[in-house]
Amino acid sequence: SAVISQKPSRDICQRGTSLTIQCQVDSQVTMMFWYRQQPGQSLTLIATANQGSEATYESGFVIDKFPISRPNLTFSTLTVSNLSPEDSSIYLCSVEGVYEQYFGPGTRLTVT
Amino acid sequence: LAKTTQPISMDSYEGQEVNITCSHNNIATNDYITWYQQFPSQGPRFIIQGYKTKVTNEVASLFIPADRKSSTLSLPRVSLSDTAVYYCLVGAPSGAGSYQLTFGKGTKLSVIP
Repeated sequence: SAVISQKPSRDICQRGTSLTIQCQVDSQVTMMFWYRQQPGQSLTLIATANQGSEATYESGFVIDKFPISRPNLTFSTLTVSNLSPEDSSIYLCSVEGVYEQYFGPGTRLTVT
Repeated sequence: LAKTTQPISMDSYEGQEVNITCSHNNIATNDYITWYQQFPSQGPRFIIQGYKTKVTNEVASLFIPADRKSSTLSLPRVSLSDTAVYYCLVGAPSGAGSYQLTFGKGTKLSVIP
């Protein structure tokens, strides 16, 4: 199994600013994933991040809005840029196991 | 990726067995079926995975009929702590091992005292 931590656990940000979310894993992993979970909704995959290469974004998500860094095999960041109230969500990172994904606790973002 | 359909919500009394069915009519030959559990303010947690017939672990059983177009997660003797959202995912392993990345709407299970 993998233990994943995220920082911050929650934040309140003003419209137009940016928030960078950190994801730390206790073991080296090839791929890391970033999800968004809007209030009361299911999880939506934002992008897949491989170490040493550009992240792969899902339809509807673009790098300018959600830049991702993956500097090593245990760490990744997701930045949510130019915040609007519609970005208020929980953002989760995950890593793959042999059969399943392990998820972090999430970062709750509120945009005012 | 195969699309999944689950009931939006279910209620059950404590101590009862709960069965949550997931439909995945266009499941592919290489696809596996995986169930996750999510509590409020937490990330999803893996429960069980299977390919066909029956799989059982310490927390649940997964029943998959021969045509694999549906699957049923069975939770024996639920307690209040089983109140959560349950997601059914279907997909095949990627080259690096990951199985499924697309979450459906999930089933909100409420256990009543």
